[in-house]
Amino acid sequence: DGGITQSPKYLFRKEGQNVTLSCEQNLNHDAMYWYRQDPGQGLRLIYYSQIVNDFQKGDIAEGYSVSREKKESFPLTVTSAQKNPTAFYLCASSHLDRGVHEQYFGPGTRLTVT
Amino acid sequence: GESVGLHLPTLSVQEGDNSIINCAYSNSASDYFIWYKQESGKGPQFIIDIRSNMDKRQGQRVTVLLNKTVKHLSLQIAATQPGDSAVYFCAENTGTASKLTFGTGTRLQVTL
Repeated sequence: DGGITQSPKYLFRKEGQNVTLSCEQNLNHDAMYWYRQDPGQGLRLIYYSQIVNDFQKGDIAEGYSVSREKKESFPLTVTSAQKNPTAFYLCASSHLDRGVHEQYFGPGTRLTVT
Repeated sequence: GESVGLHLPTLSVQEGDNSIINCAYSNSASDYFIWYKQESGKGPQFIIDIRSNMDKRQGQRVTVLLNKTVKHLSLQIAATQPGDSAVYFCAENTGTASKLTFGTGTRLQVTL
């Protein structure tokens, strides 16, 4: 059963703690993405990766870090430097074929930091 | 429930009527556009896409129209059903690999 999995669905942390969100895909996609979603706003790109061991900052990368050690996995760490970490986090993946841009999304992780 | 979309524009449609959701995009160089549906607490799901060399594309009960002159995209849903209730996002590809830029979204509410 192919797809993207994110875990956990809900995550609670105390302020000042780093937390890592998991994202795994078995679609054999080259590219993976992390988005943040807040109420009243669309999806904002945090980081993306087009190939293993390489990634680029998106529009709101400050306070976040990622790694891409395996093609299937793209974990996101929300660091204590992120001022407003409470949000819904979405991971996506896609092919990199020319002209093919559809991104497939995971179910999301809702992070609450108090 | 999820708090996604508390302040989003909302379109209320009666069951069985047609829905039209509009989107203005920003980059005249964008060559690919896509519509996603997001139900509460879930990740977005692909609905339909269109390339800039087309002005209309039809799927099952959905049609996307593209007007490049005014940088406008619309999604038409025929015979709207309660299961269509969700937040709808348009997104554009501006040429950087498969990177997408998303709009703010529209909430569709289907009334019985």
